[in-house]
Amino acid sequence: DGGITQSPKYLFRKEGQNVTLSCEQNLNHDAMYWYRQDPGQGLRLIYYSQIVNDFQKGDIAEGYSVSREKKESFPLTVTSAQKNPTAFYLCASRGPGNSGNTIYFGEGSWLTVV
Amino acid sequence: AQTVTQSQPEMSVQEAETVTLSCTYDTSENNYYLFWYKQPPSRQMILVIRQEAYKQQNATENRFSVNFQKAAKSFSLKISDSQLGDTAMYFCAFMISFNAGGTSYGKLTFGQGTILTVHP
Repeated sequence: DGGITQSPKYLFRKEGQNVTLSCEQNLNHDAMYWYRQDPGQGLRLIYYSQIVNDFQKGDIAEGYSVSREKKESFPLTVTSAQKNPTAFYLCASRGPGNSGNTIYFGEGSWLTVV
Repeated sequence: AQTVTQSQPEMSVQEAETVTLSCTYDTSENNYYLFWYKQPPSRQMILVIRQEAYKQQNATENRFSVNFQKAAKSFSLKISDSQLGDTAMYFCAFMISFNAGGTSYGKLTFGQGTILTVHP
């Protein structure tokens, strides 16, 4: 089945550690996105990538990094510089052309700092 | 910059009744897209309905319909015959999409969400 797969579903990070959240899609979509959601809040854009080997900062990029080496993959690294990383993280993708005017989401990953 | 405002933090409705969720947005663009997403307790973001700004006709999807007022920059969601499974957080979202150099660009801006509870 086509879709967006995020892993792991739950992740615990120790203070000072970097962690990487995986996002893979087999929808042949060009654009991919990372959003952060805090409890009871809306979604805020961290990073997005319109094409391979290119990405842009969103509204809250500080303390995060991404790469886009393959069309299918857009991993997000939460670095130790991110002071409050505990949140729900959602990956999304969007198709090209006229079919590209809707964004679809993965099932999300929970990150907790311990 | 685009902003999306949902003025109702929480709403409740009795099963089988109708409820309307409000959304307003601010943009200087003329061509854009509006969405309603549903987020149940599982946290999965599910697309409910989509509206292209250049279309005057309001979008409908089964029990879900919108009232799109472009001049007022308003985009409300009406849920008819509410069901218990409609209980969720609902987000209004806005996107400008354009093509440049063969690449399609666009990103979603979300409102803060409305928690809808359907009571039996």
